[in-house]
Amino acid sequence: DQQVKQNSPSLSVQEGRISILNCDYTNSMFDYFLWYKKYPAEGPTFLISISSIKDKNEDGRFTVFLNKSAKHLSLHIVPSQPGDSAVYFCAASGQGAGSYQLTFGKGTKLSVIP
Amino acid sequence: AAGVIQSPRHLIKEKRETATLKCYPISRHDTVYWYQQGPGQDPQFLISFYEKMQSDKGSIPDRFSAQQFSDYHSELNMSSLELGDSALYFCASSSTGTGRFRGYTFGSGTRLTVV
Repeated sequence: DQQVKQNSPSLSVQEGRISILNCDYTNSMFDYFLWYKKYPAEGPTFLISISSIKDKNEDGRFTVFLNKSAKHLSLHIVPSQPGDSAVYFCAASGQGAGSYQLTFGKGTKLSVIP
Repeated sequence: AAGVIQSPRHLIKEKRETATLKCYPISRHDTVYWYQQGPGQDPQFLISFYEKMQSDKGSIPDRFSAQQFSDYHSELNMSSLELGDSALYFCASSSTGTGRFRGYTFGSGTRLTVV
């Protein structure tokens, strides 16, 4: 039972355009969401996060949008750069016991074409 | 500053053997987490330790055990290895005192191959 779903295994975008990565979740107890970026042979690197009390968080070229009613979040990268090519994992955490434990999606491989 | 260090980076073991993976957290981080990522899969939470005590348990098989030592490093012990244990094992560390997920940092992982 996949509680965090990234339905697009891969995405190709032209350099300079916007990349939009999507993530859906099923557990209504999740209240904190994170995006991690992963290069081959490296561990996941924190990119950006959002609390369930917000609907948008922005950090430079990266913006995360949260739609609680739809249990959907998305990561926007604009403008996309070739160095953004990596696997992007959506992760979520809930309240209470296990609140520091992350539940990951399967990842979306982003390729930014020069 | 040094990040989370995992050793070894690669490990090849035969079925039914035992493996020990080590994790050295970032200095002053008090919590360690272990994740397992199978081929083409998402990272799955195994277990975590806070101040040397087990704090949370996920989908960790009974054949696996882990502990956190006085210097905060952690070891994941895996016995009676099976082919399905072949995966990338990530360790992460954080400091609970600085807020939830603040500084939650992953190591580069140990790739275990069971043959």
